[in-house]
Amino acid sequence: AQKVTQTQTSISVMEKTTVTMDCVYETQDSSYFLFWYKQTASGEIVFLIRQDSYKKENATVGHYSLNFQKPKSSIGLIITATQIEDSAVYFCAMRDRGSALGRLHFGAGTQLIVIP
Amino acid sequence: GPKVLQIPSHQIIDMGQMVTLNCDPVSNHLYFYWYKQILGQQMEFLVNFYNGKVMEKSKLFKDQFSVERPDGSYFTLKIQPTALEDSAVYFCASSLEGLGGRYEQYFGPGTRLTVL
Repeated sequence: AQKVTQTQTSISVMEKTTVTMDCVYETQDSSYFLFWYKQTASGEIVFLIRQDSYKKENATVGHYSLNFQKPKSSIGLIITATQIEDSAVYFCAMRDRGSALGRLHFGAGTQLIVIP
Repeated sequence: GPKVLQIPSHQIIDMGQMVTLNCDPVSNHLYFYWYKQILGQQMEFLVNFYNGKVMEKSKLFKDQFSVERPDGSYFTLKIQPTALEDSAVYFCASSLEGLGGRYEQYFGPGTRLTVL
């Protein structure tokens, strides 16, 4: 069965520093897709970044990057130069090829608090 | 990024009544999803929908639930009759491609359903 685990419930960092949020996953599939989403205080869910399991290079989008360690089934999200507006809940999600038409499995989320 | 709209943002109804949640997906997207989030918890997949058909549903998608998208209009989630445990935020999502899993899902702002 597919499972996504985020063990950090809350992280506080100073503005302009770098933060890493952890995520580990379980899947029987050899090919799968990993996503990070952000849920703002208003409840809006925003897609941030994606990693395809067959790619060795870590994905990077703006000040978001991923630390993909396939042997450890780990996909960490790294935010550099954090800003106040990065304060939100961050969800890791996985979709494998065995899931018909794109069912996402979400982790419990990590709340990020950026302190000015 | 692409926008998914949901109407209404908040709905309060009495237990046993029927409710319809409306979603306006991204215009060129073909795959549609509903997720349920109970306060403070992770999002859980309910159902996905393609070409006028339910392709996959979870155990949370009870017999009282139904989805449709008549003539390319709103993608709707209907609950009839509602129960207290249906109180949650329901998120609609859409994607350009579901099979193969590469294309990310874009989420609406959610409808907060309160069943009294």
